Amino acid sequence: NAGVTQTPKFQVLKTGQSMTLQCAQDMNHEYMSWYRQDPGMGLRLIHYSVGAGITDQGEVPNGYNVSRSTTEDFPLRLLSAAPSQTSVYFCASSYSTTDGFSGNTIYFGEGSWLTVV
Amino acid sequence: DAKTTQPTSMDCAEGRAANLPCNHSTISGNEYVYWYRQIHSQGPQYIIHGLKNNETNEMASLIITEDRKSSTLILPHATLRDTAVYYCIVRVAVNDYKLSFGAGTTVTVRA
Repeated sequence: NAGVTQTPKFQVLKTGQSMTLQCAQDMNHEYMSWYRQDPGMGLRLIHYSVGAGITDQGEVPNGYNVSRSTTEDFPLRLLSAAPSQTSVYFCASSYSTTDGFSGNTIYFGEGSWLTVV
Repeated sequence: DAKTTQPTSMDCAEGRAANLPCNHSTISGNEYVYWYRQIHSQGPQYIIHGLKNNETNEMASLIITEDRKSSTLILPHATLRDTAVYYCIVRVAVNDYKLSFGAGTTVTVRA
């Protein structure tokens, strides 16, 4: 059981380049999400998915695309990288809640450090 | 989800209990209190959560006031490895895909 796995761990991009951050989980979680964390700040939600084939925008979605073709994978695409996207990116997953009153733990990956120059 | 207020920072002596307060005065009846921590450069780590009753696990204890407007996370015997940013989060269970992280409390455990 590897939990939530993110790749790559470090990446340097030039402005305008595109790339994909990979996220995979082996816990059969329905919910997956992407957050970014800038220095000295809390995490901000970029995109999330409540199941395969379903995605939606979070707090800061501009400049990012996601897809969820399988339960296990939730890649984050940077379409045209900008210096403002220099950040640490965290993928997270959890079980869905069916009864509305049970708290579920959210599991995070170890992060992907992205620098755009 | 309800907003939370935490102190910016606090120090704790190694081996002593660390008591981290969190105010969530606008919490509603179906919102849980969650605590996560983030050790430098790592992904956030779940600590504990609760709804009404006090909770304890191998990592910490969570004390929730009777009116649920505030809570305290207790690390019973702080170690140097407990140095981290601690986040108190209040959320509705159905919003599992969303977590609103504030600035948290930076806890420094000193030898």
